[in-house]
Amino acid sequence: EVQLVESGGGLVKPGGSLRLSCAASGFTFRSYSMNWVRQAPGKGLEWVSSISSSSTYIYYADSVKGRFTISRDNAKNSLYLQMNSLRAEDTAVYYCVKNNEFDPWGQGTLVTVSS
Amino acid sequence: QSVLTQPPSMSEVPRQRVTIPCSGSSSNIGSNAVNWYQQLPGKAPKLLMYNDDLVPSGVSDRFSGSKSGTSASLAISGLQSEDEAAYYCAVWDDSLKGWVFGGGTKLTVL
Repeated sequence: EVQLVESGGGLVKPGGSLRLSCAASGFTFRSYSMNWVRQAPGKGLEWVSSISSSSTYIYYADSVKGRFTISRDNAKNSLYLQMNSLRAEDTAVYYCVKNNEFDPWGQGTLVTVSS
Repeated sequence: QSVLTQPPSMSEVPRQRVTIPCSGSSSNIGSNAVNWYQQLPGKAPKLLMYNDDLVPSGVSDRFSGSKSGTSASLAISGLQSEDEAAYYCAVWDDSLKGWVFGGGTKLTVL
């Protein structure tokens, strides 16, 4: 069974940093692109970033470009999101999602940016 | 303001059919495959439809997808109370070089 388990969320002050992790299991992680998608409280889904299987191609939403960095470690079956210069509008549940069909989704980790 | 346009809410009675629209442009829906997701209250989203009209294993055949030009739609037949959820369309945008989601449609089964 494919499993994606996010961790690393929490409360952080504006301007602070946080690193999210996603532990993948049940599939050949190194063969698939991966994504981060977020959902602010009571709002819709917003794509954040994508990374290809070998990290050759990386894409970011304009809203996070220059502040967030996506990376992966295929040896550890793990996906990461380094988030710097956090703002209140970054408050959201962050989901780790497999491949271009965005399937499946992890359970999400909540990031709250507040003073 | 989402790049893809969906009605914020729709409602229908049980056993009827409802069609949820998703409107985009030539750089997204007009050029690439559309996926649809269902998000039940308090849950993570789930893939409902991919490549415009393909149903993943395990998803009910009451769900169907279609696309024409720069618009796509998700149809649900034989509505059931368990279909009450938020539905999102998503597609790659060639101009933005990124994925875009519709704003989501909250479906109420009356």
